[in-house]
Amino acid sequence: QKEVEQNSGPLSVPEGAIASLNCTYSDRGSQSFFWYRQYSGKSPELIMSIYSNGDKEDGRFTAQLNKASQYVSLLIRDSQPSDSATYLCAVNMFKRGSQGNLIFGKGTKLSVKP
Amino acid sequence: DAGVIQSPRHEVTEMGQEVTLRCKPISGHDYLFWYRQTMMRGLELLIYFNNNVPIDDSGMPEDRFSAKMPNASFSTLKIQPSEPRDSAVYFCASRTPGEAEAFFGQGTRLTVV
Repeated sequence: QKEVEQNSGPLSVPEGAIASLNCTYSDRGSQSFFWYRQYSGKSPELIMSIYSNGDKEDGRFTAQLNKASQYVSLLIRDSQPSDSATYLCAVNMFKRGSQGNLIFGKGTKLSVKP
Repeated sequence: DAGVIQSPRHEVTEMGQEVTLRCKPISGHDYLFWYRQTMMRGLELLIYFNNNVPIDDSGMPEDRFSAKMPNASFSTLKIQPSEPRDSAVYFCASRTPGEAEAFFGQGTRLTVV
């Protein structure tokens, strides 16, 4: 099993719709979870972080965490063409005695059609 | 702060040559990460440092790769000798202790011909 898994997409949604992005992780002891957005040719930038089970909302973005299922998701409401990008799930993992391993999934490419 | 600064932004080199990538983390950040990104493998963690000490280098692909952090404001990733399969975008990122976000540099696009 890969450490952090995401559907590669592409995920295509119409403008104004809800985009749902999913991520699973292998390390049951992980405590910190992040969603990054990466535009083509650019570096990743953080859009959401979540540490506790449940939902966390920030504007049009909602992150959801279920540690029992080892599952993280990101919902984007009222999707805009400017949201078209690759979304990377990242997990801070405890590996080989160290706690700082920030491991990324391969990303889901989102396309929002006008 | 100017953010994480990487140099060069682009590097084209011939197979067998030595390549050195450079990174200046954000001041006060004591974690520094080196990642490699390709279409096939995504964003792979190569190595990370805490307080200038390498903590986990298990992602370094081969002995041809080495990384150093001589002080809190500078790190290098060296590939010697370089091979075409090393062609990728290399990112450096830094963060503060605890659960804070990691900030990425603009990346170095490496092409080995």
